Amino acid sequence: DGGITQSPKYLFRKEGQNVTLSCEQNLNHDAMYWYRQDPGQGLRLIYYSQIVNDFQKGDIAEGYSVSREKKESFPLTVTSAQKNPTAFYLCASSPQGAGEVEQYFGPGTRLTVT
Amino acid sequence: QQQVKQSPQSLIVQKGGISIINCAYENTAFDYFPWYQQFPGKGPALLIAIRPDVSEKKEGRFTISFNKSAKQFSLHIMDSQPGDSATYFCAALMDSSYKLIFGSGTRLLVRP
Repeated sequence: DGGITQSPKYLFRKEGQNVTLSCEQNLNHDAMYWYRQDPGQGLRLIYYSQIVNDFQKGDIAEGYSVSREKKESFPLTVTSAQKNPTAFYLCASSPQGAGEVEQYFGPGTRLTVT
Repeated sequence: QQQVKQSPQSLIVQKGGISIINCAYENTAFDYFPWYQQFPGKGPALLIAIRPDVSEKKEGRFTISFNKSAKQFSLHIMDSQPGDSATYFCAALMDSSYKLIFGSGTRLLVRP
């Protein structure tokens, strides 16, 4: 059963705590992405990785960190420096062959920080 | 130049009608234009996508129309069904960047 899994589905944290969101894929995709979605808005890119042990900042990277130690895994840490962390977080992956650019999304993690 | 503008913000259509969602872009380097469908609490699912070398692509009830000179593209949902009620996002990408730029979304409600 191929796909992208994100856990947990819902996450609650107190302000000031760091929290790590999990993203795993078994599609053998090289590239992985993290997006943030706020109510009524489009998706904004936080970080992306095109290859293991390498990643780049997206448009809203401040207050977030990532790692890419394995091809299958791309965890996102929401740090206490992120001013407004409550949001729906989406992980995606894509192949990197010539002309292969389709991005496939996981089910998302809804993070609530109080 | 990196923006993709999507309209309308929301749309109500009767069952059996045609739903039309429009997007416009500025950056002529974009060369891949997907549409995503998202149900509440779920991740977006790729619906249909088009490259600028064709003017139309149809998959079942879903059609993308692409106007390269006007830098616009649209999604048409024929014979709209209540099960089509969802939020739809257009997006654009340059092959060289692997970064998808999303529109702001259109919330579609199909009334029975």
